[in-house]
Amino acid sequence: QKEVEQNSGPLSVPEGAIASLNCTYSDRGSQSFFWYRQYSGKSPELIMSIYSNGDKEDGRFTAQLNKASQYVSLLIRDSQPSDSATYLCAVTRGGSNYKLTFGKGTLLTVNP
Amino acid sequence: GAGVSQSPSNKVTEKGKDVELRCDPISGHTALYWYRQSLGQGLEFLIYFQGNSAPDKSGLPSDRFSAERTGGSVSTLTIQRTQQEDSAVYLCASSLGAGGPQTQYFGPGTRLLVL
Repeated sequence: QKEVEQNSGPLSVPEGAIASLNCTYSDRGSQSFFWYRQYSGKSPELIMSIYSNGDKEDGRFTAQLNKASQYVSLLIRDSQPSDSATYLCAVTRGGSNYKLTFGKGTLLTVNP
Repeated sequence: GAGVSQSPSNKVTEKGKDVELRCDPISGHTALYWYRQSLGQGLEFLIYFQGNSAPDKSGLPSDRFSAERTGGSVSTLTIQRTQQEDSAVYLCASSLGAGGPQTQYFGPGTRLLVL
């Protein structure tokens, strides 16, 4: 079982819709959870971080964490073409809160 | 202030040559990380520095890879006797320091191509 799994996509949504990105992780000791956005040819950029169960909202973005189900998601409301990118889920595991373990990313395309 | 900078942005080398990649972290960030991103493998952790010390080198793929950090600032990742499978984007990140969850800020990366 991979440590962090994401659907590779591509996920295609129309402009203005809600995009839902999902991530599961295998280590129950994982402590911190991050969503990064990576445009083609660019470096990852932090979108959201979440550390406790529940929802965390920041503008059009909502991160959801369910530690019992080992599941973290990112919702993007009112999707814009500029949101088209690869979204990387990353977690830190128990005992090493500095080392990010990344999923392979989900490619999101928002169609005008 | 300035973000994480890396040089060179691109590097083409021949198999068997040594290469040095440089990372300049955000000023005041004591923690520095190297990652590698290759097709099909995603982003992989290589090494973590806290100050000038590297408490975790577990991600370095072989003894051809080494890294150092001096003055608690600039870091150099060296790959000796490069192989074609070393071709990847090498990303450096920095964060404020140890203790608690850290937001890591990534540099633009060095694209390495080994012919």
